[in-house]
Amino acid sequence: RKEVEQDPGPFNVPEGATVAFNCTYSNSASQSFFWYRQDCRKEPKLLMSVYSSGNEDGRFTAQLNRASQYISLLIRDSKLSDSATYLCAVNLQSSGDKLTFGTGTRLAVRP
Amino acid sequence: NAGVTQTPKFRILKIGQSMTLQCTQDMNHNYMYWYRQDPGMGLKLIYYSVGAGITDKGEVPNGYNVSRSTTEDFPLRLELAAPSQTSVYFCASSDTGAGQETQYFGPGTRLLVL
Repeated sequence: RKEVEQDPGPFNVPEGATVAFNCTYSNSASQSFFWYRQDCRKEPKLLMSVYSSGNEDGRFTAQLNRASQYISLLIRDSKLSDSATYLCAVNLQSSGDKLTFGTGTRLAVRP
Repeated sequence: NAGVTQTPKFRILKIGQSMTLQCTQDMNHNYMYWYRQDPGMGLKLIYYSVGAGITDKGEVPNGYNVSRSTTEDFPLRLELAAPSQTSVYFCASSDTGAGQETQYFGPGTRLLVL
């Protein structure tokens, strides 16, 4: 089993749709979780950190489910500009100061 | 602040050639990282550094070397380029360890080895 796993997609949704991605991780002692966004041929940029109690930033909601060892990202009212690849990143307990990234989930929002 | 800068943007190498990928950050960050990203894949850590003079191997260090003589610079050296090293290379930095704070990425270097 991969340490951090994501459904590669693509998720193809119409504008205005709600879409959710999950990311599973293998180490139950993992402490820190992040969602990054990567546009085509660009560098990853932090979208949001994922806190234990869940957190929201505008149309984006991130949640952590420790019991089932996954994090999720919910995007409401999708915009064309949300089209990108979404990478989850986990600081696995065994990895010290390193992040382990998933392979990313591609989202395509159509008009 | 320029953030994290990388040079060159793109390079073609012949098998067996060597090159250095440059990475500089102006945020006075202690932690710096080198990743490679193959098409459709996630980021794999090559090497990282927790401060000047300290480096450590990541998940895929073979065929690469690094040095960290200053806080700002973290060059990545390829000694004998191989086709398997064709990839996009990203440098990143963070003020504290990866578990506490976001990493800031440079724009990447696209490397093609023929």
